Amino acid sequence: ETGVTQSPTHLIKTRGQQVTLRCSSQSGHNTVSWYQQALGQGPQFIFQYYREEENGRGNFPPRFSGLQFPNYSSELNVNALELDDSALYLCASSLPTGAAEQYFGPGTRLTVT
Amino acid sequence: KQEVTQIPAALSVPEGENLVLNCSFTDSAIYNLQWFRQDPGKGLTSLLLIQSSQREQTSGRLNASLDKSSGRSTLYIAASQPGDSATYLCAVGGAGNQFYFGTGTSLTVIP
Repeated sequence: ETGVTQSPTHLIKTRGQQVTLRCSSQSGHNTVSWYQQALGQGPQFIFQYYREEENGRGNFPPRFSGLQFPNYSSELNVNALELDDSALYLCASSLPTGAAEQYFGPGTRLTVT
Repeated sequence: KQEVTQIPAALSVPEGENLVLNCSFTDSAIYNLQWFRQDPGKGLTSLLLIQSSQREQTSGRLNASLDKSSGRSTLYIAASQPGDSATYLCAVGGAGNQFYFGTGTSLTVIP
């Protein structure tokens, strides 16, 4: 069974640039959620994708967008990067029920300078 | 909006001690509650998942309880070991298909 993988591991961008982060879900899971974790904080829910559609969104601006592909992998895109976007971005996969256990990937550390 | 609080924020114990981590939440309308472990700079490792209809779950030296009516969960770690040192996060599954996380308890087990 393959776990959740994320790429890249680390990324450094300049304010105003755009970034794309990638996630491959665990085998058999068709739901992917993205979280942002600032230093010293708990993860904050960005959005969830199921069947290639956004299926729930947290309190993040529209410059945070995503995609899910037919193989259930997913991308998180962030436009017009701000310094406060510096964080660990976590992807979690699960089965499509509200009571499903979430399995997290290792994360992508984004630094915006 | 669901608010999740974890107390204490940090805990330091000698090896072999039993300990309890606390998690409280404001909205009892939850689907489940999941405890995670996070090592510095790493992703989250799932420890235990408790469905809203359950009272507790056990895995090895770990036992988690859930009291929905009072909005509380505890994670009990028996016979702590230095390898247990990490940040422990609780997350509540609720409406909108999202998990609401606390800020975690940083645990240090001293050999």
